[in-house]
Amino acid sequence: GQQLNQSPQSMFIQEGEDVSMNCTSSSIFNTWLWYKQDPGEGPVLLIALYKAGELTSNGRLTAQFGITRKDSFLNISASIPSDVGIYFCAGREQAGTALIFGKGTTLSVSS
Amino acid sequence: DTEVTQTPKHLVMGMTNKKSLKCEQHMGHRAMYWYKQKAKKPPELMFVYSYEKLSINESVPSRFSPECPNSSLLNLHLHALQPEDSALYLCASSRRDRAYEQYFGPGTRLTVT
Repeated sequence: GQQLNQSPQSMFIQEGEDVSMNCTSSSIFNTWLWYKQDPGEGPVLLIALYKAGELTSNGRLTAQFGITRKDSFLNISASIPSDVGIYFCAGREQAGTALIFGKGTTLSVSS
Repeated sequence: DTEVTQTPKHLVMGMTNKKSLKCEQHMGHRAMYWYKQKAKKPPELMFVYSYEKLSINESVPSRFSPECPNSSLLNLHLHALQPEDSALYLCASSRRDRAYEQYFGPGTRLTVT
């Protein structure tokens, strides 16, 4: 089945640095979402994107729906220790029914 | 209220036990989901309910039996599980017209001994 390529797999950064991660697919997607999951908790929806080229912010987080409709990007500005966690991209194919998840990016922030 | 609640938080059960996981939401969402998640892996879809009817079953073994008593509640009945079924079980809900904005509960950590 369809898989999403999410990169990087993990990141180790200093507090205050900016972070970028991305997700790519081999087919066209109609929807892209970004979730964050803390240890022992469920994923929390950060940003949902529905249109190619769409750029949406949520505080220090900004996500974009790629114009090819085969990728999406998440940027975190001025990282803080509570940004630590696993970030998952997820999306829906043009003709799909279920949400497909990427393998996640594990973010570690040192202060 | 954007909360999905799940009980219990943790569950340990033997392979011959019968137990149930419960999920509740009061956001008026008409689609509800069960996912299974192994450590450091993405969630895997198990079941989808739409308007209290089972619409998707992702070839889940019959030892997992979902139930949707009403639009706010979702149960997952467990029977004769295997140790490899140990995982975090997540419930999610969404609006029917925005089915891909799924809101997750905190999960039930299940250990099968």
